[in-house]
Amino acid sequence: DVKVTQSSRYLVKRTGEKVFLECVQDMDHENMFWYRQDPGLGLRLIYFSYDVKMKEKGDIPEGYSVSREKKERFSLILESASTNQTSMYLCASSPPQASYNEQFFGPGTRLTVL
Amino acid sequence: GESVGLHLPTLSVQEGDNSIINCAYSNSASDYFIWYKQESGKGPQFIIDIRSNMDKRQGQRVTVLLNKTVKHLSLQIAATQPGDSAVYFCAGEKLTFGTGTRLTIIP
Repeated sequence: DVKVTQSSRYLVKRTGEKVFLECVQDMDHENMFWYRQDPGLGLRLIYFSYDVKMKEKGDIPEGYSVSREKKERFSLILESASTNQTSMYLCASSPPQASYNEQFFGPGTRLTVL
Repeated sequence: GESVGLHLPTLSVQEGDNSIINCAYSNSASDYFIWYKQESGKGPQFIIDIRSNMDKRQGQRVTVLLNKTVKHLSLQIAATQPGDSAVYFCAGEKLTFGTGTRLTIIP
C-alpha cells in the first residue's frame, strides 16, 4: 500500500515563527504536492514538485516555500507564520503519468498560528 | 483555467438508500475526473475516476456519471452504509478540487 506520512498531526506555532511541515512517501513517486484545506474553500494547491530539486507554484504560493532534496521527501516551509496560515495542510504524491493522476494523500497536519 | 465545484455542501441519506452527489466543472476540454472520499481526521482517498471518452463508470457500490454536454458529473453510492459518511470531492486533471459535499448516513 502507498503510504504518505506527515511529520505532525497537530502543530501550534506563534506569529513570526519559521515552520517546517515534512512529508514522506514510500512508493518512489515522482510527483509530490502540498495543499491547504479550509472550510468552504476546499483544497487549494500551494506548491508541487515533479522531481528532486524541482518545484512549481500552485494557486496560492504566497507566504510559503518548499524543498525537495530527496525523492521521497517534500517539505513545506512557512518563513514567518501568520494567523491566516492557520489551516489543515495535506501532502500528496502520485506516479508520473502525464494526465491521469490519482493522488495519494497523507493524514494532514492541522496547524494553528497564534 | 479550470474550476470544479460541488452543488450541495451537505447531504443526509437514510442508511440503505442510494445517494447522489453532484459536481460541475467549467472547462469543456477537461479530460479526466476523480472522486475522493475524506473521512474525519484523514486525508482524501481515491474512490473512482472517469475519462472524458466515457459517460459512465462503475465500481463497487459506486457509479460515476459524466455529462459533457452540461459539464456535470455525479457520484452515486448504492445501499449506503454508516461507513459512507464522509466528505466527497470531485477533482479535475488540473489539480483543482471542489469544496466538498458532507454526506451523513442516518441509521
